[in-house]
Amino acid sequence: NAGVTQTPKFQVLKTGQSMTLQCAQDMNHEYMSWYRQDPGMGLRLIHYSVGAGITDQGEVPNGYNVSRSTTEDFPLRLLSAAPSQTSVYFCASSSPGGSSSYEQYFGPGTRLTVT
Amino acid sequence: AQKVTQAQTEISVVEKEDVTLDCVYETRDTTYYLFWYKQPPSGELVFLIRRNSFDEQNEISGRYSWNFQKSTSSFNFTITASQVVDSAVYFCALLGYSSASKIIFGSGTRLSIRP
Repeated sequence: NAGVTQTPKFQVLKTGQSMTLQCAQDMNHEYMSWYRQDPGMGLRLIHYSVGAGITDQGEVPNGYNVSRSTTEDFPLRLLSAAPSQTSVYFCASSSPGGSSSYEQYFGPGTRLTVT
Repeated sequence: AQKVTQAQTEISVVEKEDVTLDCVYETRDTTYYLFWYKQPPSGELVFLIRRNSFDEQNEISGRYSWNFQKSTSSFNFTITASQVVDSAVYFCALLGYSSASKIIFGSGTRLSIRP
């Protein structure tokens, strides 16, 4: 299993540009989440999904859109990039059942710089 | 509302010392899960432990131990005989059962182990 994969690993955007961060998991997990990590702020939840077709906002959703058309994929779209969105983005997946219930499996992260 | 507080921003100890990382949480849920994750300098997020609210037994795994006390809403993490490889940022996290997959992370504690 590849686990949780994220692309790209690095990205530089200019202010106002849009882009999509890709996230995929092959563990058949129902739950998927996007976090951003900024120095001294820990991991803050952007959006999350409890299944295909169902998404909800986390702590810092402004400026981001998500969709979940399949169990495997959970892309994060930046609508109009701003310097404040410079951060490291992590995608995670988990399942509510089984011996590892709710344990978050994280992708390797995407380092985004907005100039 | 859910909240996780890791008051210790940075800790530095000499190798072989014991060190405790504090985690205090807030939730109105009676059923909830607590987690610890490690983020080494390489940047990936590594799952360490999950504890549910009905299991207050302390957990020990090698040099790592966790003390869960509902009376003080704390879930502290102790490393015994620390090693340089323990240097990392450690995150405590909380999932309230009513919040589906909305896991909230603390701001993290940066632990440095000096040789």
